[in-house]
Formats: sequence, structure tokens, C-alpha cells
Amino acid sequence: SQTIHQWPATLVQPVGSPLSLECTVEGTSNPNLYWYRQAAGRGLQLLFYSIGIDQISSEVPQNLSASRPQDRQFILSSKKLLLSDSGFYLCAGGGLEKLFFGSGTQLSVL
Amino acid sequence: DQQVKQNSPSLSVQEGRISILNCDYTNSMFDYFLWYKKYPAEGPTFLISISSIKDKNEDGRFTVFLNKSAKHLSLHIVPSQPGDSAVYFCAATSGTYKYIFGTGTRLKVLA
Repeated sequence: SQTIHQWPATLVQPVGSPLSLECTVEGTSNPNLYWYRQAAGRGLQLLFYSIGIDQISSEVPQNLSASRPQDRQFILSSKKLLLSDSGFYLCAGGGLEKLFFGSGTQLSVL
Repeated sequence: DQQVKQNSPSLSVQEGRISILNCDYTNSMFDYFLWYKKYPAEGPTFLISISSIKDKNEDGRFTVFLNKSAKHLSLHIVPSQPGDSAVYFCAATSGTYKYIFGTGTRLKVLA
């Protein structure tokens, strides 16, 4: 099985500041990687997914971007955070049968 | 456009009784379905899955039922235990690597 490492666990950022969340994967090579967001009172919204290095699909037009510089590294970024970017961000890895999730980052934009 | 819906935001059940969590989907291309359990401030953990070629899959206390004609699936937990109290998400995929999750149902098992 895969292990998804995600940090930090919590983050408080001012509006307009940049963001970089990093996720790394152990236990597999060439994984599919995902960024999800859980906003307060809402479900898990798929933000980005990647089936390979530099192959990234964006699901929702927004203030965020993603990059995959290495096979097992997935980065979520923003140049200027908005209040609406607050939420619980989850990185996941997997294939056709299931996804494994990291422990998440609670982002509060103030 | 919410392709996967969990219309009950919360559910309370007595310990030892059956918990039934429901999920509806709109995309007929979905062919594989999963259930995840999530505790606060943690990532979801995989519970059970089902392929569209089956109508039932069982794993211990957890059983998932799939009704393709109704585009509906359900998760049964028998018997329910206090440790089952969590948010449950259903998810669906059509083999395109995209997993679409529902809005979640908060289950509370009362001791």
C-alpha cells in the first residue's frame, strides 16, 4: 500500500499571501496523485489530479495551481490567497482500485 | 453539478443496530464505487468498494449494495459500534482516474 506524507498539519495565512503545500508518496512508483479540498460543511471537492510528471488536470477554475516536479511529489500553490481558499486540503495517491489519503492540512486564511 | 450525492447530512443509530448510509449518482458512466470513513482533522480511510458488475460486496460488518438501474448505492454497518461514529463519503469513478466524492454523511452511534 501507499503512504502519503503531507505537511504542515495546520496553516494560518493572511489574505494575499502565497501558498505552497507539499505532498510526497512512498510505497509505489508512478502513482496517480490528487489534491482535494473539504470546505466547512461540504464534501470532498477534487481540485487537481495527475497521472504523471508534468501531467496535471484542473477540475475547478480557481486561485490555485498544482505542479508535479518529480514522480512522487505533488505541490499545491497559490500566488495570492483569498478568504475562500480556507479549508481542509487533502493529498491522495492511487490507481484504479482505491485512493490513499494523507493526513490533511487545515488552512485558515484570515 | 454534483454527480455524487449523499442527501442525508447526518444519521444517529443505537449501538448494536444497523446503520444504512445512502448515496445517489447521476453519471451512468461510473463503474466503480467506494466508501470512505473520515474522522475530524484526518484523511479519509478506505472501507469497501464495489464494481458495477456486482450488486453486493461484503467485508465483515460492512456491506455495500449497488442498484444500477436506480443509480443508488448504500452502505450497511451491522452491528453499529460507537467507534463507527465518523463522516462517511461515497465515491465513484469511471476508470478515468477521477474519483468524485459525495458530500458526506455524519454517522453518530449512540452507546
